[in-house]
Amino acid sequence: GAVVSQHPSRVICKSGTSVKIECRSLDFQATTMFWYRQFPKQSLMLMATSNEGSKATYEQGVEKDKFLINHASLTLSTLTVTSAHPEDSSFYICSAVGPGQGTGGYTFGSGTRLTVV
Amino acid sequence: KNQVEQSPQSLIILEGKNCTLQCNYTVSPFSNLRWYKQDTGRGPVSLTIMTFSENTKSNGRYTATLDADTKQSSLHITASQLSDSASYICVVTRNNAGNMLTFGGGTRLMVKP
Repeated sequence: GAVVSQHPSRVICKSGTSVKIECRSLDFQATTMFWYRQFPKQSLMLMATSNEGSKATYEQGVEKDKFLINHASLTLSTLTVTSAHPEDSSFYICSAVGPGQGTGGYTFGSGTRLTVV
Repeated sequence: KNQVEQSPQSLIILEGKNCTLQCNYTVSPFSNLRWYKQDTGRGPVSLTIMTFSENTKSNGRYTATLDADTKQSSLHITASQLSDSASYICVVTRNNAGNMLTFGGGTRLMVKP
């Protein structure tokens, strides 16, 4: 089945630094990738949608200059949290959709736990 | 407004027992409904996906039902196991909306020995 690999699984960084999270589709071409944020005991909140080769579309209230998304290839999208602050600590999850993925689509990565200290 | 409501918010059952989780939605136009299992600290994993014409779909001990007329779905777990402890998320896809997903708040299930 379709597999989406997300790295790192957890990261701790100092306040003010930047962190990059990678999301890779391993056995299909991800024409669209989604980035979500999830706070404890809450459901996933869509942050942005990215199509390969295009600028990402951000949801209302999500700062595009803080959460930089790059989807330069059909198998890789990255989310960079710039100048991270403790309030950015959260669980970040990507999902991908693309041809050859099989029925259903929307395969999720395993998530990244970001802790900003 | 396009919404997905799940109940209960949390549930505790004994190992071996059955349980049913509910999902009501107002998302329109409807494309499909998915149930995901999310273990703590992990990404969601798909259990079932149903389109408008499908009433029931099974995946092992998981059986999902869909009533598109009343806009209700349920996920039935049979003979629960400790490993079933997780959050179960109902997700509805809107048609003609760029495949936009609307997430329910999830049901946190704990199976105790």
